[in-house]
Amino acid sequence: GDSVTQMEGPVTLSEEAFLTINCTYTATGYPSLFWYVQYPGEGLQLLLKATKADDKGSNKGFEATYRKETTSFHLEKGSVQVSDSAVYFCALTTAIQGAQKLVFGQGTRLTINP
Amino acid sequence: ETGVTQSPTHLIKTRGQQVTLRCSSQSGHNTVSWYQQALGQGPQFIFQYYREEENGRGNFPPRFSGLQFPNYSSELNVNALELDDSALYLCASSLNRGSNTEAFFGQGTRLTVV
Repeated sequence: GDSVTQMEGPVTLSEEAFLTINCTYTATGYPSLFWYVQYPGEGLQLLLKATKADDKGSNKGFEATYRKETTSFHLEKGSVQVSDSAVYFCALTTAIQGAQKLVFGQGTRLTINP
Repeated sequence: ETGVTQSPTHLIKTRGQQVTLRCSSQSGHNTVSWYQQALGQGPQFIFQYYREEENGRGNFPPRFSGLQFPNYSSELNVNALELDDSALYLCASSLNRGSNTEAFFGQGTRLTVV
């Protein structure tokens, strides 16, 4: 079945460092790809998305490009802040019966130190 | 804040008991999906409701059941609770079933089975 594999965490960086969180996927067809963020004690918030190959999603300084040839959707940010500390989930949509469901990676915990 | 509200926020139940979790979807959203997020893992799809009908189901046993009401709010019921059912249960609403439609998540219900 469709699946998502994320870079294992936890990841600890200093403020203003460059961030990359790797994500690769396996899917039949052409899924949409997403990054969600989960702050402590909260639900998931959509960070960015891309719906077709070579699309770049971006939001709040984060970027990810849908790479069909490498089946990847790596998350990047040029200069992280303490407030970016959270758990990040890569996900794709896939069809199941009549539904479109999200398939998530295992999450990457990011801690930014001042 | 997404406009998706879940209740209760925390719950402790004893093994063998039954539990009902509730979700109010964002205004105008006719599709509700439920996910189970075990500690340190990504969310796993339980099922989806579209216009009051179950629309797709993940790999969960029949003791996980649900309902969607005419106002599109939803319930998740779990019978014969097991210790492994301890998790964060997330509800997500969306405007429709399409793969490009953004899912808005609630803050979740933390269920502990003892």
